[in-house]
Amino acid sequence: EIVLTQSPGTLSLSPGERATLSCTTSQSVSSTYLAWYQQKPGQAPRLLIYGASSRAAGISDRFSGSGSGTDFTLTISRLEPEDFAVYHCQQYGPSPMYTFGQGTRLEIK
Amino acid sequence: QVQLQESGPGLVKPSGTLSLTCAVSGDSISSGNWWSWVRQPPGKGLEWLGEIYSSGTTNYNPSLKSRVTISVDQSKNQFSLKVTSVTAADTAVYYCARAVPFNLNQWGQGTLVTVSS
Repeated sequence: EIVLTQSPGTLSLSPGERATLSCTTSQSVSSTYLAWYQQKPGQAPRLLIYGASSRAAGISDRFSGSGSGTDFTLTISRLEPEDFAVYHCQQYGPSPMYTFGQGTRLEIK
Repeated sequence: QVQLQESGPGLVKPSGTLSLTCAVSGDSISSGNWWSWVRQPPGKGLEWLGEIYSSGTTNYNPSLKSRVTISVDQSKNQFSLKVTSVTAADTAVYYCARAVPFNLNQWGQGTLVTVSS
C-alpha cells in the first residue's frame, strides 16, 4: 500500500499570504492519480485538484497543484478567509483503490 | 446537479452490523461511474472502504474486506454499505461518493454512526 504523508500538520498563516502544502508518497505515483480535497468543519470533502494540477469545476484559480514522482504540492496564492480548512491529498490505486494523507490543517494566524 | 444522501441508524451496538444507504439524484447509478464509501473517525483522516459499479462488481479496502459488503439497487438508484462485527473503532462519519477516473468528485453530506451499547 502506498502511504501519503502530508506536511506540515498545521499551517498558520494570515489572509493575503501564500500557502504551500506538501504531499509525499512512499512510492512514485503517476500525476494522473493524485488529487487534493478541501474540507471545512462539519462538511464533506470537496474536490479541488485532480491529475496533480487540473482544477475541478468551479474552483478558484488561486488554487494550483504541481509535482511529480513522490512529491506533490498544493499552493493557494492569496489566502481568503474561506480558504482556512483541512486539505487532504489522495492517490488512486492499485489496492486499496483510494488512499489519503492524514491532512493539513490551515488555520488563521 | 448530482446529489448523494446517506441514511441509516446513527447508533449501532458493539458486535452488530452497521447498515447505510446512499440515495443518488441528478445522475443514474448506471451512468458508467463507480460509487464509493469513505469514512472519517472523529478528528482523524479519511479512509476509503470500497466501491461498486452498476453491474455489481466491487472493490474493497483489504484492511476491512472481510467485514464490508457494498451492494447496488438500480431500480431505486441507490447503493448500500454493510459493516459487520463493529467495534468502537468503527465510530465515524460515513460518506458516500461518486468516483470518476481516479478521484471522488461528488460527496454526500455524511452521516455519523456511533458504536456504543
